[in-house]
Amino acid sequence: ILNVEQSPQSLHVQEGDSTNFTCSFPSSNFYALHWYRWETAKSPEALFVMTLNGDEKKKGRISATLNTKEGYSYLYIKGSQPEDSATYLCAFRGGADGLTFGKGTHLIIQP
Amino acid sequence: NAGVTQTPKFQVLKTGQSMTLQCAQDMNHNSMYWYRQDPGMGLRLIYYSASEGTTDKGEVPNGYNVSRLNKREFSLRLESAAPSQTSVYFCASQKVAGGWQETQYFGPGTRLLVL
Repeated sequence: ILNVEQSPQSLHVQEGDSTNFTCSFPSSNFYALHWYRWETAKSPEALFVMTLNGDEKKKGRISATLNTKEGYSYLYIKGSQPEDSATYLCAFRGGADGLTFGKGTHLIIQP
Repeated sequence: NAGVTQTPKFQVLKTGQSMTLQCAQDMNHNSMYWYRQDPGMGLRLIYYSASEGTTDKGEVPNGYNVSRLNKREFSLRLESAAPSQTSVYFCASQKVAGGWQETQYFGPGTRLLVL
């Protein structure tokens, strides 16, 4: 069983503040690292797929970095808005047999 | 496109009853997956089908069977439900199993309560 850890488990952030959280994963047999955004009562939706060490992806106010050698990825949200409230999942792909998900970081943006 | 659809949305079963969860995708994807999500746990892979005609066990396959009926449909069967199978079940699909840059697309989930 692969170990994919996310921290913190939950996070309360004031509207307008920037924040970041971490995903750590095995540094061997790396294929890809996925980030998903999961709103309550909805399905997880893909944010980024990252494959190369040093990769940086950006989508609006959300960005992510990847370090495959040390086995971690950071997700950053700049100027948090209430609509950013969700659980953010990372998932490690080490082969063709599906993704191994972390438990998620539950983000709450307080107005 | 409807994407990935799941039925039913919610089901209550008694211990020992059987049921089949249905999943269909209209994106012409080759690979399909079944996950379960429990409080305090991440999404855990139950079974997957890399392509039509193949199925493989994931991390938590005990108590489940699957059928890849055709390219569109992938069903999950509980032969004799147990309270430990109370969970939210998600189906997902992906264009190509070995395409590690491919995103997985998720269905809306089925909430299952086993009494």
